[in-house]
Amino acid sequence: EAGVAQSPRYKIIEKRQSVAFWCNPISGHATLYWYQQILGQGPKLLIQFQNNGVVDDSQLPKDRFSAERLKGVDSTLKIQPAKLEDSAVYLCASSHKETQYFGPGTRLLVL
Amino acid sequence: KQEVTQIPAALSVPEGENLVLNCSFTDSAIYNLQWFRQDPGKGLTSLLLIQSSQREQTSGRLNASLDKSSGRSTLYIAASQPGDSATYLCAASNQAGTALIFGKGTTLSVSS
Repeated sequence: EAGVAQSPRYKIIEKRQSVAFWCNPISGHATLYWYQQILGQGPKLLIQFQNNGVVDDSQLPKDRFSAERLKGVDSTLKIQPAKLEDSAVYLCASSHKETQYFGPGTRLLVL
Repeated sequence: KQEVTQIPAALSVPEGENLVLNCSFTDSAIYNLQWFRQDPGKGLTSLLLIQSSQREQTSGRLNASLDKSSGRSTLYIAASQPGDSATYLCAASNQAGTALIFGKGTTLSVSS
C-alpha cells in the first residue's frame, strides 16, 4: 500500500513570495490533515478535510494561507504572501479510522 | 483546551538500557492517545495507539500505558538499540476523527 505522498520535499523562497504544496493521501482515506511543524515543536493542525469539505480550519491563518481538496482526493496548501515565521515543515496526513498516516513533509525556508 | 507535555526534552542512554518516556495531558476526556516516532528530515511513523478504554498497548520492545485519571501516558522501550535514536512524539485526540494535539517530543539518543 502506497503511503501519503507530498511534493516538493524542500522549498526555499523569499518573504512575500507565494508557495504551494501538494499532498496525495492513501487511497480510500476520506480524512486529510495539514499540520505545520516549527523546529523544536510538535505538529500543529492547520486544516482538516472530510472528503472535499472543511471540518476544522480554526488555526489556519486565512489572510495568507489557503487550502483545497478537489474531488476529495489530492489537496494543495498555499501561502501567499509568505513571512519569515512560516519557515517550518508542512506535514500532510490521512486517516480511514483511528490511525493517522503521515507523509514525509515539505520543508519550507523563507528568507 | 487540551495541552500535551513531554518530559524530558532530550535523553541519552547507552545501548541495552530500558527507558521510559513521559507524556502528560491536561484534559482527561481524551478519545485516544498515540505515540509517534520521527527521524530527522522524515515524517511521523505511528508506533502505538491506545484507546481511552484501554490501559496499555504493546508492540515488540515497545509498551505504552495510559492513565486517564492522572493525565499521563508512558512509552517504555526495552533493551534500547542505536536504531531507536529518534524523536518520540505523543499526541492526544479528544474526539473520534479529530486532529491530534501533539507534545513537543523527546529526542532520544542511544549510544553503542
